[in-house]
Amino acid sequence: ETGVTQSPTHLIKTRGQQVTLRCSSQSGHNTVSWYQQALGQGPQFIFQYYREEENGRGNFPPRFSGLQFPNYSSELNVNALELDDSALYLCASSNPGLADYEQYFGPGTRLTVT
Amino acid sequence: GQSLEQPSEVTAVEGAIVQINCTYQTSGFYGLSWYQQHDGGAPTFLSYNGLDGLEETGRFSSFLSRSDSYGYLLLQELQMKDSASYFCAVRLNTGFQKLVFGTGTRLLVSP
Repeated sequence: ETGVTQSPTHLIKTRGQQVTLRCSSQSGHNTVSWYQQALGQGPQFIFQYYREEENGRGNFPPRFSGLQFPNYSSELNVNALELDDSALYLCASSNPGLADYEQYFGPGTRLTVT
Repeated sequence: GQSLEQPSEVTAVEGAIVQINCTYQTSGFYGLSWYQQHDGGAPTFLSYNGLDGLEETGRFSSFLSRSDSYGYLLLQELQMKDSASYFCAVRLNTGFQKLVFGTGTRLLVSP
């Protein structure tokens, strides 16, 4: 059983650019959630994908968008990057049919916007 | 809105017992989870309380009182490797699995 993986591990972008972050969910998990974690803060929910559809969203602007693929892997896209977007981006997978309160997190992508 | 409060930092010595409290104000409360995160690492699931009472998992226990909007994580027989940040997270009854995390408690375990 493979765990949640994310790529890349680190990324440096310039303000105004666009970025795509990738996540492979744990085997057997069909739900992926994305979180933003600023330094010294708890993770903030961005959105969740279930069976390739966005089924919930947090308080993030539309320039944060995502996709989920048939194999349940997922992408997070951020357009028009701002300095405040610098953070650790975490994805977490889960399976609503099992212990759906337990989310398995990947190691994250550290994004720095300059 | 949703808000969770935890102490920012707790210190203890090896072998001791420590309790990390979490109070919350949310609508649509479904349950309370606890996650551990080491510096530079991913949050890892520790415990979940869907009902009032105590849940025990090895050295870790978690408690929930819905009427008091309060929970705690109890760590026993502390080890150096327990030094990490601990987050309580409310699971909301929104029709999907949304977790709202607190700001975290940094636990420092000394010899």
